[in-house]
Amino acid sequence: SQTIHQWPATLVQPVGSPLSLECTVEGTSNPNLYWYRQAAGRGLQLLFYSVGIGQISSEVPQNLSASRPQDRQFILSSKKLLLSDSGFYLCAWSPTPTETQYFGPGTRLLVL
Amino acid sequence: RKEVEQDPGPFNVPEGATVAFNCTYSNSASQSFFWYRQDCRKEPKLLMSVYSSGNEDGRFTAQLNRASQYISLLIRDSKLSDSATYLCAVGPSTDSWGKFQFGAGTQVVVTP
Repeated sequence: SQTIHQWPATLVQPVGSPLSLECTVEGTSNPNLYWYRQAAGRGLQLLFYSVGIGQISSEVPQNLSASRPQDRQFILSSKKLLLSDSGFYLCAWSPTPTETQYFGPGTRLLVL
Repeated sequence: RKEVEQDPGPFNVPEGATVAFNCTYSNSASQSFFWYRQDCRKEPKLLMSVYSSGNEDGRFTAQLNRASQYISLLIRDSKLSDSATYLCAVGPSTDSWGKFQFGAGTQVVVTP
């Protein structure tokens, strides 16, 4: 069966510091991968999605970037965090672009 | 207008009662639809896919109305454990590949 991992689970970072969140998927190959952010009491905002290694589509212009160095690894990064980057970051995978998305446990980020 | 809209609630439901709520979407070319359940501070988890003919999974019934562009979820014989936020998800059309749209969620509170 497929599993999706994210780490760290929680993170407190100062404004201006860098960020690296990692997501890995097991038990499948060539998954579609997604990064979402959920602000408190809000819906899911799609940040990036990837259909293959090195193929990243960005949905929202901001100080975040994503990379997919391996088939089942998806990384979310920032060089300098802003207060507005606080939120619940969720990685998801799906077998194809239209099928069900399955979410990882998420990383709760607080920027102070 | 938001692409996917849900009544945020909360819907306060006595245990054993029935509750139903809708989710409207704007992209008439969307091909797939889902309901997710999200518990407080947790990741969304797939509850059920929504098929054109409607479908049931135990106490849960999902319907799709393409003409009016909404999906619905009905919960019968509500249990205390049904208390959660229910997110609807609308899959992409061919010109928005990979871009799921999520509603902000409907909160359900089942009371003893």
